[in-house]
Amino acid sequence: AQSVTQLGSHVSVSEGALVLLRCNYSSSVPPYLFWYVQYPNQGLQLLLKYTSAATLVKGINGFEAEFKKSETSFHLTKPSAHMSDAAEYFCAVSVGPQGAQKLVFGQGTRLTINP
Amino acid sequence: ETGVTQTPRHLVMGMTNKKSLKCEQHLGHNAMYWYKQSAKKPLELMFVYNFKEQTENNSVPSRFSPECPNSSHLFLHLHTLQPEDSALYLCASSQDFLDTQYFGPGTRLTVL
Repeated sequence: AQSVTQLGSHVSVSEGALVLLRCNYSSSVPPYLFWYVQYPNQGLQLLLKYTSAATLVKGINGFEAEFKKSETSFHLTKPSAHMSDAAEYFCAVSVGPQGAQKLVFGQGTRLTINP
Repeated sequence: ETGVTQTPRHLVMGMTNKKSLKCEQHLGHNAMYWYKQSAKKPLELMFVYNFKEQTENNSVPSRFSPECPNSSHLFLHLHTLQPEDSALYLCASSQDFLDTQYFGPGTRLTVL
C-alpha cells in the first residue's frame, strides 16, 4: 500500500526564518509527489510536484522540495518565511494502476508565522 | 469565469432534507473529483469521474449520490445526512489522473 505521512500537525516559525515541513511516503513504485497549500476559506492550490525528473523541485512563492528516494522523503522548504505563508500544507502521493491513479493526502501541517 | 467554482459556499441542512452541491470547471479537464475535508482528518477522496464515467467510489455511504452530466459539471446529491457528515466538500478537476488537480473553494456543509 502507498501512503504519505506528514510529521508535525503544527509548525511555528518566525518571519524570516527557514521553513521546513516534513513528508515521508511509502510506495512500491516510483511515485508522483505533490505539495498543496490551503489558505483559510479556500480550496487547495498546487505548490509543486515531483514527476521523476529533477530531484530538487522548485515551486511557487519561493518554496522547493527535494525527493530523496533513500529516505522516502519529500520535505518542503523555504529559506525565509513571510507572514503570507501562514496556511495549511498538504503532501500527496499518486497511487494506483496506470490510467486510474488517485491522490492520497497526508493529514496536513498548519504553518504559523510569528512576527 | 475561470477555474473551478462551487455552489453554494455554505449550506445548513436538517437530517431529513435533500440538497445538492454543484461544481463547474472551466478548464477543459477530463477528470473531476469530490473530496471530503473534516477537522483533524486527512482529505478523503469520495468519487472520481473520468470522461463522465465514474471510476472510483471510495466506499461512500449511499446517502451521497454523485452525478456527472458532462465533463464540465459535477453534482453531489445529499439526502438523510447525519451530523458527522458536516465537513468542507471540495471539488477538483484535472486533465489526466497524474496531472495537477485544481480545486474549487469548497462548500461548508453543516448537518443539524
